[in-house]
Amino acid sequence: EDKVVQSPLSLVVHEGDTVTLNCSYEVTNFRSLLWYKQEKKAPTFLFMLTSSGIEKKSGRLSSILDKKELFSILNITATQTGDSAVYLCAVVTPGGGSNYKLTFGKGTLLTVNP
Amino acid sequence: KAGVTQTPRYLIKTRGQQVTLSCSPISGHRSVSWYQQTPGQGLQFLFEYFSETQRNKGNFPGRFSGRQFSNSRSEMNVSTLELGDSALYLCASSLDPSGYEQYFGPGTRLTVT
Repeated sequence: EDKVVQSPLSLVVHEGDTVTLNCSYEVTNFRSLLWYKQEKKAPTFLFMLTSSGIEKKSGRLSSILDKKELFSILNITATQTGDSAVYLCAVVTPGGGSNYKLTFGKGTLLTVNP
Repeated sequence: KAGVTQTPRYLIKTRGQQVTLSCSPISGHRSVSWYQQTPGQGLQFLFEYFSETQRNKGNFPGRFSGRQFSNSRSEMNVSTLELGDSALYLCASSLDPSGYEQYFGPGTRLTVT
C-alpha cells in the first residue's frame, strides 16, 4: 500500500522564522510529488516535483525532491502570519492504464505567531 | 474564470439516509476527482471521472458512488450513511487525467448524526 508521511504534524513559529516541512513516501511507481497549502477549506496547489535535485521556488517558498532517499522538503523563509495553514504533500502514482492516483499525507499544521 | 464550485456547502444527515453532493469544475476542465478529508485520516482519494467515465477509484466501500455528466459536472452519492462518513468532501478539477495540477473546490461539510 502506498504511504506518504509528513512531519512534523504541527509546528508553531514566530514571524520571520524559517521552517522546513518534511514529506517521505513509500510508493510503487512514483511519478511526481505535489505540495498544497490548505487554509480554510480548499487546498491550493504550490509545487509539482518530478526530478531529483531540482529546486522549485516561488517567492519565500521553495521545495526540493530526493528520489533516492524518497523524500521532499518544503522551505518557507521569513514566515508571515499569512503562512499559517495546513501544508499537504501528495504523491502521484499510476492508477491503471493512463490514469493516476494521488496519495496524500496527513499534513503539517503550521502556525505563525506575530 | 470561476473556480470549482461545490453544493451544498454544509449538510446534516442522520444515519441510514443517503446524500448527493455536487461539483462543477472550472470551465474547460474535464477531469473531476473527489476526496474525503477527516482529522484522523487526512485527505483520501475517493474516485476520479473523465469524460463521464470513472477512471480511478480509491479504497472506499460501494456505498460511495459518483457520476459525471456531459458538461463535466459531477455528483457524488453516499448511501446508508454512517457516523464515520462525517467529513469534508472536496472536489478537484484538472484539464485532463494527466493534469496533476488540481484545483480544489471549497468542499461540502457533511455531518452525520
